[in-house]
Amino acid sequence: DTGVSQDPRHKITKRGQNVTFRCDPISEHNRLYWYRQTLGQGPEFLTYFQNEAQLEKSRLLSDRFSAERPKGSFSTLEIQRTEQGDSAMYLCASSHGGLYNEQFFGPGTRLTVL
Amino acid sequence: DQQVKQNSPSLSVQEGRISILNCDYTNSMFDYFLWYKKYPAEGPTFLISISSIKDKNEDGRFTVFLNKSAKHLSLHIVPSQPGDSAVYFCAASEVGQFYFGTGTSLTVIP
Repeated sequence: DTGVSQDPRHKITKRGQNVTFRCDPISEHNRLYWYRQTLGQGPEFLTYFQNEAQLEKSRLLSDRFSAERPKGSFSTLEIQRTEQGDSAMYLCASSHGGLYNEQFFGPGTRLTVL
Repeated sequence: DQQVKQNSPSLSVQEGRISILNCDYTNSMFDYFLWYKKYPAEGPTFLISISSIKDKNEDGRFTVFLNKSAKHLSLHIVPSQPGDSAVYFCAASEVGQFYFGTGTSLTVIP
């Protein structure tokens, strides 16, 4: 399967713990996006990378959220000191080329903060 | 601030008939619009897109219409098939940032 993969698919953690999610984009895709989706809402844009450069991060939800894409391939999203309100589906997507090419989404990581 | 709105949470249509899903937006700087389909336990799947310089784009059974003056776009599915039953999201883009609506759950009744 050569689609976007995310790991883990599910994560349950206790409030205050740190969590890290991984996204592996489609191999030739230079753009990578992170979204959060809560129940009854559409995906909410968080940040995106072009190759290893993070081009937009102002919409990360707080300074507890950070993302990296060190070699321009896979990416990680970290949430520090998790809160119950962080419980959501975290989606990754990738695209090739310019700003207006379609994004291919992964299956998401469902985070539950107890 | 919800810049992209889908005011119909659900829609039911008979198989073979037309499905029309609607989306409204507030930001006149959006220059690219997309529709995604989502099945349970999967990520959204791209369906069709349209640039702001066009008013219609067609791909098989799917047609997207854009009315810039009304800040409104719609997705037409003709004929609707039971496999089209899913949640449909519209999205709009400004300089690489994407804004999604809340989704419309379409049920196509055999």
